[in-house]
Amino acid sequence: QKEVEQDPGPLSVPEGAIVSLNCTYSNSAFQYFMWYRQYSRKGPELLMYTYSSGNKEDGRFTAQVDKSSKYISLFIRDSQPSDSATYLCAMSAREGGSEKLVFGKGTKLTVNP
Amino acid sequence: EAGVVQSPRYKIIEKKQPVAFWCNPISGHNTLYWYRQNLGQGPELLIRYENEEAVDDSQLPKDRFSAERLKGVDSTLKIQPAELGDSAVYLCASSFSPRAGELFFGEGSRLTVL
Repeated sequence: QKEVEQDPGPLSVPEGAIVSLNCTYSNSAFQYFMWYRQYSRKGPELLMYTYSSGNKEDGRFTAQVDKSSKYISLFIRDSQPSDSATYLCAMSAREGGSEKLVFGKGTKLTVNP
Repeated sequence: EAGVVQSPRYKIIEKKQPVAFWCNPISGHNTLYWYRQNLGQGPELLIRYENEEAVDDSQLPKDRFSAERLKGVDSTLKIQPAELGDSAVYLCASSFSPRAGELFFGEGSRLTVL
């Protein structure tokens, strides 16, 4: 079993739809949870960053963490064509005195006008 | 503020040839990472530097890959000789604090090995 599982999609939605992206993980040592957005032929950029269970909202984006279920989600409200990208979940743990950062495979999202 | 700069953006070589990638991190960022991203996959760590010291190179294939970070700033990743399976995007990232998980990535160097 991989430490971080993410459905690669692809996911195609109409403009204005609510999008839900999800990741599960197996390592209970993960403390920090991130969502990165990666446009085609670009590097990933940090979108959301959380460290506790619950919700964190930033504009149209909401990150949700459920540590008891080892499950994180990213919700995008009123999705726009400009949201079309690959979304990578990432998780961080401290192991052997150093930080370990693991990325999911990414979910490719297309928002159709 | 300038972001992480990588070069070259694209490189096509034949197998068994050498190749090198260069990275200039964001000024003041003491942590530098090299990741490899295969098509349809997430980035996978190759090596992490704290200043000049390679603190995690456990996933670096040391028989053919090497990296250096001179004076704790710029870094170079080299592959010699390249194999077909090395075709991927090589991403450089930097951060101010390794605990934060907030990495700033460059645009990547896309390698094609023929």
